[in-house]
Amino acid sequence: DAKTTQPNSMESNEEEPVHLPCNHSTISGTDYIHWYRQLPSQGPEYVIHGLTSNVNNRMASLAIAEDRKSSTLILHRATLRDAAVYYCILDNYGQNFVFGPGTRLSVLP
Amino acid sequence: DAGVIQSPRHEVTEMGQEVTLRCKPISGHDYLFWYRQTMMRGLELLIYFNNNVPIDDSGMPEDRFSAKMPNASFSTLKIQPSEPRDSAVYFCASSFASTGETQYFGPGTRLLVL
Repeated sequence: DAKTTQPNSMESNEEEPVHLPCNHSTISGTDYIHWYRQLPSQGPEYVIHGLTSNVNNRMASLAIAEDRKSSTLILHRATLRDAAVYYCILDNYGQNFVFGPGTRLSVLP
Repeated sequence: DAGVIQSPRHEVTEMGQEVTLRCKPISGHDYLFWYRQTMMRGLELLIYFNNNVPIDDSGMPEDRFSAKMPNASFSTLKIQPSEPRDSAVYFCASSFASTGETQYFGPGTRLLVL
């Protein structure tokens, strides 16, 4: 399985943008890049995903490097409710998600 | 839609007892997944089904674990006999059948084996 590397933890101030990096140097041409997050005591929830182009939705933006070996999840204005563990996952042929340890994001008021 | 439904939400049992966890996927989803989450090992995929057929059970830890999907709206994960090291949060998720599709997770079942 293709692997991803993320920082263990990050901190942000409330109302400021947050850039969460992910390295995936062994990504294959057909791997989608997914981001999920897990709030305390809840199941993971979908944030965003993309293949080659940058993507935006109401929750976040996903910036994908031109060589696809890295990506960045962007939360435009962090709120206290965004404090969670964020997982970057490569989707290889559909459904075999491999969750790494993720990045624990703390948001300071 | 109510989302993925799991029951029970919490289960406390004694070592050696049989434990059955239940999951109702989102209607119309073709894939169903069982995950386990512990502090030590994080979130692990145990098994997944496509159209009620088990596709990959390589994550099932040992023969004490079994999973079934008798129909498109119901799945069970059974542990028999249970051991203290099985204590974890077990998540069920479902998705449409396509690469790149979103997995929707249930709230999880928190299992404690004494």
